[in-house]
Amino acid sequence: QLQLQESGPGLVKPSETLSLTCTVSGGSISSSSYYYWGWIRQPPGKGLEWVGTIYYSGTTYYNPSLKSRVTISVDTSKNQFSLKVSSVTAADTAVYYCARQRIGTLAGTFFFWGQGTLVTVSS
Amino acid sequence: DIQMTQSPSSLSASVGDRVTITCRASQDISNYLAWYQQQSGKVPKVLIYAASTLQSGVPSRFSGSGSGTDFTLTISSLQPEDVATYYCQKYNNAQWTFGQGTKVEIK
Repeated sequence: QLQLQESGPGLVKPSETLSLTCTVSGGSISSSSYYYWGWIRQPPGKGLEWVGTIYYSGTTYYNPSLKSRVTISVDTSKNQFSLKVSSVTAADTAVYYCARQRIGTLAGTFFFWGQGTLVTVSS
Repeated sequence: DIQMTQSPSSLSASVGDRVTITCRASQDISNYLAWYQQQSGKVPKVLIYAASTLQSGVPSRFSGSGSGTDFTLTISSLQPEDVATYYCQKYNNAQWTFGQGTKVEIK
């Protein structure tokens, strides 16, 4: 049974870097070429925003509105992928979800989601 | 960037009503569109992918249609458990974008 679990600090100070890790269990990040691994965020009471996506090879795709501040990486030996958002402000306060995306004709649909983790940016 | 416009932003309907939510892309995205349901406090889940394919386990009262720039999510007979926010999501050129969401309530 595939599981995705986000982890990281729940509170980050303004101007610092937000760091989250998604641990994948019940399946290997590198075992299949059919999947991307993505991050989505949702500010409290607002809609969903795609942050970025990574392939097991390390190829990344970022939301243009966040690209200058976002880095996504993968560690296949630990079966994890990670998100860093630099120079955070209160606008980065959100529930952050990691998800598995099916590629090919399914166009990266987000079929499998973690439970999400709330990150608050505050001093 | 391709913009997604979802409407309405909210709606209220009676149990048993037919409900329609639309999503419009600013450019042709073929059938690269999915629909998600997010119940209050829960993780989003995919209802429809590739514009019209029903995800396994999703009730058949949900259906999707459209191609190109105009897409529709239909709930044929609204049920109390369908109270949720619904999002469309497009794919184009390794970019994924969600619509603004439609909040569905029971009248």
